[in-house]
Amino acid sequence: AQSVTQPDIHITVSEGASLELRCNYSYGATPYLFWYVQSPGQGLQLLLKYFSGDTLVQGIKGFEAEFKRSQSSFNLRKPSVHWSDAAEYFCAVGARNNAGNMLTFGGGTRLMVKP
Amino acid sequence: DAGVIQSPRHEVTEMGQEVTLRCKPISGHNSLFWYRQTMMRGLELLIYFNNNVPIDDSGMPEDRFSAKMPNASFSTLKIQPSEPRDSAVYFCASSLRASGGPRDEQFFGPGTRLTVL
Repeated sequence: AQSVTQPDIHITVSEGASLELRCNYSYGATPYLFWYVQSPGQGLQLLLKYFSGDTLVQGIKGFEAEFKRSQSSFNLRKPSVHWSDAAEYFCAVGARNNAGNMLTFGGGTRLMVKP
Repeated sequence: DAGVIQSPRHEVTEMGQEVTLRCKPISGHNSLFWYRQTMMRGLELLIYFNNNVPIDDSGMPEDRFSAKMPNASFSTLKIQPSEPRDSAVYFCASSLRASGGPRDEQFFGPGTRLTVL
């Protein structure tokens, strides 16, 4: 079974600074990979996804993520953080061989942005 | 498209009462998921359906929880009797499962915040 680890529970960055949120997965083959964002009181919104091909994936709101097979990682990055990026971020893994679209989510990383 | 619709958005009830949460998936989607989110346990998958059929309910905490999907456009999650430890935000999500193709993203509803006193 697949699993996802987000090592950082909380991260605080200054507005305008760069951001990297870590995600490590465990799966026997190349998984489907997703990053979701959850603003306070809201549901989860997809930022980006990786299925195959180019390992650097561009998403919405200026985010990108890079799939590194050798490190079993799919870290999320943004070159310059805006105050509106303060939210909780979830990495998720989907297995290619499961019958449905079940995803396994990490524990989340809460991002706080300092003015 | 209106997205995934959940009702009610907030529910406050007393211990022992029956609670029914409702979800309308995105039209055309054939997979539906129920999640529970708490501070202590994070986001947990409770159950999911493909083509209205429950596929995996191993995440359902106990027999007090039940879920149904009578048709492609409606699902319910019922808790009977409810307990204070059931207090959480319950999310419904839907997706389009394409046979043989890459798995599509899940679209989440806004959630139902349940408080059991």
